[in-house]
Amino acid sequence: AQKITQTQPGMFVQEKEAVTLDCTYDTSDPSYGLFWYKQPSSGEMIFLIYQGSYDQQNATEGRYSLNFQKARKSANLVISASQLGDSAMYFCAMRGSGGGADGLTFGKGTHLIIQP
Amino acid sequence: DVKVTQSSRYLVKRTGEKVFLECVQDMDHENMFWYRQDPGLGLRLIYFSYDVKMKEKGDIPEGYSVSREKKERFSLILESASTNQTSMYLCASSLTYGGYEQYFGPGTRLTVT
Repeated sequence: AQKITQTQPGMFVQEKEAVTLDCTYDTSDPSYGLFWYKQPSSGEMIFLIYQGSYDQQNATEGRYSLNFQKARKSANLVISASQLGDSAMYFCAMRGSGGGADGLTFGKGTHLIIQP
Repeated sequence: DVKVTQSSRYLVKRTGEKVFLECVQDMDHENMFWYRQDPGLGLRLIYFSYDVKMKEKGDIPEGYSVSREKKERFSLILESASTNQTSMYLCASSLTYGGYEQYFGPGTRLTVT
């Protein structure tokens, strides 16, 4: 069974500061993938970044980077230079070795609020 | 641009009614998924399908069934709605190879009274 743990239910951050959202995972699959999604108050789920378990380098997408530490089973999301529009729920998720045919296991989410 | 649409944004049904939630994707994705989202619990997988007429149970299939008669359409069925099925329901689709991102629909907020 897979499990995702997000230990920060809520965070307040000053605009322009960097933000780290924590995510730890547990799985017995040798091959897996880790995702971060953003859900603004409007409700849509927006894909941010993906890291495969065999990827040698940490994934980056614009202001988002994923700090992947395989031995520690952690996949923290780092947002550089936060903006007011970054205020949202953030979910860490993982898939197993079934690739795109696998359903995702989600964490409970972190509610990020960026303050001016 | 991938588009996943769901038949209703808001739905109110009575206990015991049969409820159909429809999801359509326009990108020829093999895989489709139904999740429910509840405050403090994140998203939980109900059912998924990797091909037409194929279905697999997710983590919380009890009280639900699904139908996939065409590749682009995946329906979630509540055979006899109960108040504990009041939730936000999210549909998603993905490719099997070449990219693992799941694309989500806007969600259906279902209230069972």
